[in-house]
Amino acid sequence: AQKVTQAQTEISVVEKEDVTLDCVYETRDTTYYLFWYKQPPSGELVFLIRRNSFDEQNEISGRYSWNFQKSTSSFNFTITASQVVDSAVYFCALTTSGTYKYIFGTGTRLKVLA
Amino acid sequence: KAGVTQTPRYLIKTRGQQVTLSCSPISGHRSVSWYQQTPGQGLQFLFEYFSETQRNKGNFPGRFSGRQFSNSRSEMNVSTLELGDSALYLCASSVGGTTYEQYFGPGTRLTVT
Repeated sequence: AQKVTQAQTEISVVEKEDVTLDCVYETRDTTYYLFWYKQPPSGELVFLIRRNSFDEQNEISGRYSWNFQKSTSSFNFTITASQVVDSAVYFCALTTSGTYKYIFGTGTRLKVLA
Repeated sequence: KAGVTQTPRYLIKTRGQQVTLSCSPISGHRSVSWYQQTPGQGLQFLFEYFSETQRNKGNFPGRFSGRQFSNSRSEMNVSTLELGDSALYLCASSVGGTTYEQYFGPGTRLTVT
């Protein structure tokens, strides 16, 4: 069975703080793909990153960084120097070849306070 | 390039009625997926279409159905609406399938009274 767990339901931070959103996944497939999406209050999910299971290299994009560790089945997302505009619900998702669907985590609501 | 569009954006229906939601994917995208989002259940997969073929279906009753047209546009239909069908219905498209990133539309907010 495939599963994505985002144990943090809601996180509140003060602007400029760093924050890490956790994502733990389960799959028996050796080839899989992980994603992060942002859902701002407007409601539309915005794609942030895609990572395949063969690429464990961490990635940094501006204030965003992702840490993929197969040994712990985790794909964590860090926002550095958070801003109010980062306030949103963040979803982690998993898919494997041939399943033709995403398995989403329950999301983490991030509130960045000014 | 235009994003994924969904119509209508908001809909109010009565129990027992049926509803059809429409989704136009990004130009060139052949895969369209549908999801139901509710506060209690999160994002639940409904179905995925690629080149007019349904390749996967989620655990929803047969009242939920969909189709995809030759131009990749997709519709989903819910018959005999129930109060529990009230949700945000999201459509997503991708260039080749779900191993690629999906791009989501703004959703259709369905309220069943």
